[in-house]
Amino acid sequence: DVKVTQSSRYLVKRTGEKVFLECVQDMDHENMFWYRQDPGLGLRLIYFSYDVKMKEKGDIPEGYSVSREKKERFSLILESASTNQTSMYLCASSFAGVSAPNQPQHFGDGTRLSIL
Amino acid sequence: SQQGEEDPQALSIQEGENATMNCSYKTSINNLQWYRQNSGRGLVHLILIRSNEREKHSGRLRVTLDTSKKSSSLLITASRAADTASYFCATEGYQKVTFGTGTKLQVIP
Repeated sequence: DVKVTQSSRYLVKRTGEKVFLECVQDMDHENMFWYRQDPGLGLRLIYFSYDVKMKEKGDIPEGYSVSREKKERFSLILESASTNQTSMYLCASSFAGVSAPNQPQHFGDGTRLSIL
Repeated sequence: SQQGEEDPQALSIQEGENATMNCSYKTSINNLQWYRQNSGRGLVHLILIRSNEREKHSGRLRVTLDTSKKSSSLLITASRAADTASYFCATEGYQKVTFGTGTKLQVIP
């Protein structure tokens, strides 16, 4: 089974801090994603990556950056945390082979981040 | 704006009853997926239906897709208390998957 591991289940940080959320997958997936989930808004895509050192902006990239130095690891960075970034953050990965389209995403259990 | 919109937002049924959730979307898609999320956990993929398919089954799950109406439904038959969760549809277009806001299902024992 695919395993996507997020480094923390719960995290509390202060306004203005630089925050790192880490995600590791063990299935050699090309694609990795970061979402935030807020009540009534569903999942919104922050950034995604389809290869090492590649990144694409999602729907709400402002205030965030990402890093993908190794295929299995995708980091989300809050450059200067603000209270409106308090949310549940979900990481996902998927296979991207052209010979096997329509692949599902596999999710980690999420990091509930509170910015005080 | 969100591509997929689920209906209803919340659903409460008795164990053994069937649960039906609907999803509407706005633009053309390659496929539509349904996911389940237990409280405090990540999403788990349930079933994928391609744009050229009309119906798909997996155990107690039945998914339909009507591309002319841009809508899909998820039917869970003979529900169990363990089916209590939030259910999300996700539409995949060109290089992008967009999730809806979800239906919260409660199955009462």
